[in-house]
Amino acid sequence: GAVVSQHPSWVICKSGTSVKIECRSLDFQATTMFWYRQFPKQSLMLMATSNEGSKATYEQGVEKDKFLINHASLTLSTLTVTSAHPEDSSFYICSAHQLQGDGETQYFGPGTRLLVL
Amino acid sequence: GENVEQHPSTLSVQEGDSAVIKCTYSDSASNYFPWYKQELGKRPQLIIDIRSNVGEKKDQRIAVTLNKTAKHFSLHITETQPEDSAVYFCAVTGANNLFFGTGTRLTVIP
Repeated sequence: GAVVSQHPSWVICKSGTSVKIECRSLDFQATTMFWYRQFPKQSLMLMATSNEGSKATYEQGVEKDKFLINHASLTLSTLTVTSAHPEDSSFYICSAHQLQGDGETQYFGPGTRLLVL
Repeated sequence: GENVEQHPSTLSVQEGDSAVIKCTYSDSASNYFPWYKQELGKRPQLIIDIRSNVGEKKDQRIAVTLNKTAKHFSLHITETQPEDSAVYFCAVTGANNLFFGTGTRLTVIP
């Protein structure tokens, strides 16, 4: 299957700082990428849909000014957690949407574990 | 948005037995139904998927069935092995984005 990378794999930061997470599709172009958040022992919650060359679409309850998404190219989307607080500590996973002959499939990055102290 | 329910939340089976996980969804326009396996601290891995024009799909020990009329689909794992132990998520998509079920923690007892 297609390969999606995510960087960094984990980060520890102080409260109030901003953290940038990169999501890359390595062997295909992804016009659409998705950002999910997963708290311990819970399911993946969609945060936003990132579209190349346009503004991201945020899910209800997700603050767009806090979680900045930029999809500057067909292989890269970034999520910036601004002024991070301990409650933002979570596992952030991106996925990239690939069109295939019989439909579309999403491939997940390895995730970024964020710990805000 | 889509409402996806997944049952059971936990499932323990003896090695060699079968495991079945069921998901229901609300949006009749949904047309893609993947299943993901997630091991602790790792990314979800696609294990099987089915599209709305198919009723059943099988890949070795794993199968998925879809009932569009009733809006439910199920994951079937036969001859379970200890390495099948993980959390399994169903997902549903309509307009490109995925909505996930709440997950099922499967434990296969040797």
